[in-house]
Amino acid sequence: DVKVTQSSRYLVKRTGEKVFLECVQDMDHENMFWYRQDPGLGLRLIYFSYDVKMKEKGDIPEGYSVSREKKERFSLILESASTNQTSMYLCASSLSNRDRADGYTFGSGTRLTVV
Amino acid sequence: EDKVVQSPLSLVVHEGDTVTLNCSYEVTNFRSLLWYKQEKKAPTFLFMLTSSGIEKKSGRLSSILDKKELSSILNITATQTGDSAIYLCAVYKGGSEKLVFGKGTKLTVNP
Repeated sequence: DVKVTQSSRYLVKRTGEKVFLECVQDMDHENMFWYRQDPGLGLRLIYFSYDVKMKEKGDIPEGYSVSREKKERFSLILESASTNQTSMYLCASSLSNRDRADGYTFGSGTRLTVV
Repeated sequence: EDKVVQSPLSLVVHEGDTVTLNCSYEVTNFRSLLWYKQEKKAPTFLFMLTSSGIEKKSGRLSSILDKKELSSILNITATQTGDSAIYLCAVYKGGSEKLVFGKGTKLTVNP
């Protein structure tokens, strides 16, 4: 019954490395989102996508980029990882506005540590 | 600026207690308010509220929206240790696919 899958549960990377976080959904959702979650700060939107090859910046896009080449896959890229990007990363997807009944479906999260 | 504020930020109770979690919002063109429960991993959907004064219930959990007060409450009766989680409140604006999230309330239920 897996719906939104994030490729790694835990990840440890070195400062300066290029990091790829993958998210795949099997519900044919149009919208996909990347958030980071930090204690005391809640969920903050990094990037989102309404369609294939389409992307829009969220509230904290600096240091990140994304790719959506296929409808089911939305990748988050840390171009040069830094210690302040140590966080829990959550991917989510949703149907378009007219069909939305229960908001987002979330993946299980990737806990990234940059050392 | 759109804002969703949850209170309290953390709460510790004993099993069997009843708790009320609060969510207030300031967003343009409000469409709906959602509650999620997050245990160790993915947040899971609890309720979506669009109409004022209509209570939604699921077992021991219930929620209601007050559009006049721009707020919602989530009630949990007869709490159990399995209710320990972060509860997230989020709001949809009309014309937007993005949810605006509050910072969450961390509930700890002790035996």
